[in-house]
Amino acid sequence: AQSVTQLGSHVSVSEGALVLLRCNYSSSVPPYLFWYVQYPNQGLQLLLKYTTGATLVKGINGFEAEFKKSETSFHLTKPSAHMSDAAEYFCAVSTPNAGGTSYGKLTFGQGTILTVHP
Amino acid sequence: DARVTQTPRHKVTEMGQEVTMRCQPILGHNTVFWYRQTMMQGLELLAYFRNRAPLDDSGMPKDRFSAEMPDATLATLKIQPSEPRDSAVYFCASGRTASYNEQFFGPGTRLTVL
Repeated sequence: AQSVTQLGSHVSVSEGALVLLRCNYSSSVPPYLFWYVQYPNQGLQLLLKYTTGATLVKGINGFEAEFKKSETSFHLTKPSAHMSDAAEYFCAVSTPNAGGTSYGKLTFGQGTILTVHP
Repeated sequence: DARVTQTPRHKVTEMGQEVTMRCQPILGHNTVFWYRQTMMQGLELLAYFRNRAPLDDSGMPKDRFSAEMPDATLATLKIQPSEPRDSAVYFCASGRTASYNEQFFGPGTRLTVL
């Protein structure tokens, strides 16, 4: 079974500082990995995804994430935080060719709320 | 710009009343999901349809909740009777199994049960 752990339910940074949101996954096969962002009173929106190929993936709003198989990690980073980055971020995993009811699903982490201070 | 649509966006009702939430998935998507989000429990999967067939509703309180997909353009989530503890934001998402299982979320229905 696949699972996702996001380390830190709350992360606070200053504007202009590095953003690092941690995500570790568990999967029996190389997974598909996603980061979603949720702004207040909105639905989840895809930031970026890793499927195959290059392990460093770039997303919207200057975010990027690196798939590290040896560490089973998919941490999200942004070099310089902006006030508009304040939101909740969700890491998610799906397993290619999963059988039964797992096929087609995403497993989400518990979310990390990012606060950006002026 | 294809989007998942949900109606109503807000619903306030009294305990014991029936509530129906509707979702129009993106055309061509073959998976539909219902999620519930609360401060205490976070994001919970309630129901999952693939090719309109219900595959997993293990996260749903079956005595009062029901989910259906009468056709490919409509998914419904019904609560009868509603209780104050059902107050939450309910999200619908759709996706394609041929597209890495990426899900596209609707804007949600904010339900308040008094």
